[in-house]
Amino acid sequence: EIVLTQSPGTLSLSPGETATLSCRASQSVSSTYLAWYQQKPGQAPRLLIYGASSRATGIPDRFSGSGSGTDFTLTISRLEPEDFAVYCCQLYDDSHLYTFGQGTKVEIK
Amino acid sequence: QVQLQESGPGLVKTSGTLSLTCDVSGHSITSDNYWSWVRQPPGKGLEWLGQVLHGGPTHYNPSLKSRVTISVDKSKNQLSLTLSSVTVGDTAVYYCTRNGAKCLDHWGQGTLVTVSS
Repeated sequence: EIVLTQSPGTLSLSPGETATLSCRASQSVSSTYLAWYQQKPGQAPRLLIYGASSRATGIPDRFSGSGSGTDFTLTISRLEPEDFAVYCCQLYDDSHLYTFGQGTKVEIK
Repeated sequence: QVQLQESGPGLVKTSGTLSLTCDVSGHSITSDNYWSWVRQPPGKGLEWLGQVLHGGPTHYNPSLKSRVTISVDKSKNQLSLTLSSVTVGDTAVYYCTRNGAKCLDHWGQGTLVTVSS
């Protein structure tokens, strides 16, 4: 089973700054199978990015995804107050198994 | 607009069976999409339980495979989950989802299930 490790665990930033979140896979994966979600307290996760870099419907362009192989990045430019949340990466592998990272919390500094 | 709504008992006794349903609106359960269940223990991360395709294969998380069953009811446009022999470790918010391109693109609001003796 491929393990996804996210870093940092918590990111403290101010509105207007840029957040850079990392998701590292324990072995090389296809970028087609890598997605990112945002989750706010008491809410269901929301799909942000799929295929490592494609924004889901309705997601602002300040959210961008990149990476390949084992290292993937979610970048949030110009943080808005509503962007402070937990972000989670997800992998779908050839065994038809979805795996999630443990999450990165982006908090207001 | 795709909408999903989970429902079921909020409290299940240890060693019993957890059963949840998910009403789907705005999209046919018999489409080419897979449908999944995901859970999240309080204060912890997400765990995918399995997925089903109407008229097609079902895939389960190996860590739960012997206890979990996921199915669809096309007459009700509904997804269901059963998890047997539950323990307190199965206490979680349970979400149903529609699968997109190797991702989970629509989620229900989730329902909390507590396992207790």
